[in-house]
Amino acid sequence: KNQVEQSPQSLIILEGKNCTLQCNYTVSPFSNLRWYKQDTGRGPVSLTIMTFSENTKSNGRYTATLDADTKQSSLHITASQLSDSASYICVVIGGTASKLTFGTGTRLQVTL
Amino acid sequence: NAGVTQTPKFRVLKTGQSMTLLCAQDMNHEYMYWYRQDPGMGLRLIHYSVGEGTTAKGEVPDGYNVSRLKKQNFLLGLESAAPSQTSVYFCASSYREGSGSGNTIYFGEGSWLTVV
Repeated sequence: KNQVEQSPQSLIILEGKNCTLQCNYTVSPFSNLRWYKQDTGRGPVSLTIMTFSENTKSNGRYTATLDADTKQSSLHITASQLSDSASYICVVIGGTASKLTFGTGTRLQVTL
Repeated sequence: NAGVTQTPKFRVLKTGQSMTLLCAQDMNHEYMYWYRQDPGMGLRLIHYSVGEGTTAKGEVPDGYNVSRLKKQNFLLGLESAAPSQTSVYFCASSYREGSGSGNTIYFGEGSWLTVV
């Protein structure tokens, strides 16, 4: 069964600190992997899309990495801001029907 | 440019009642989707459409019906609401097939539905 596991489930960090969120998947065959940011009470917003051949992609203070061999991805947030408080969802596309499999997300809280 | 707009944002239904969620997109996207999001679970696809006049079942279609009479609109209907359908519903759209690496999926703001 195709699965996407994210860790940690939740995380609290101080403003200005860095953090890394993890995503492990079993989806096969793999097509691409996405990270979404979902603010409380809002819809998910795309941060990055990574294909098999890409191992790093940045979007401002967000940097995603992908290791297709170990089926792992991470999202690194640099110099966190209060506005980074949100859930971060890993989505892996693949399988026989190019299905989107969503992780359950990591809830990040940035505090003063 | 409003993107993807869902109405209503909040609704409380009694068991057995019917209702329709409306999704509208102004990006001229071919593909539209309805997802539900439940605590502790990833988003799950209910139904989707690959173009005007077409619909297809997703991962959890039971208890829901959809229609795509106009390209910009995708309606999700609950004929006889059940407490198990209490959830947050998200509409989404993409220009081409959403799983392609070059195709971003845009989500609406969500509709909170409670069935009592």
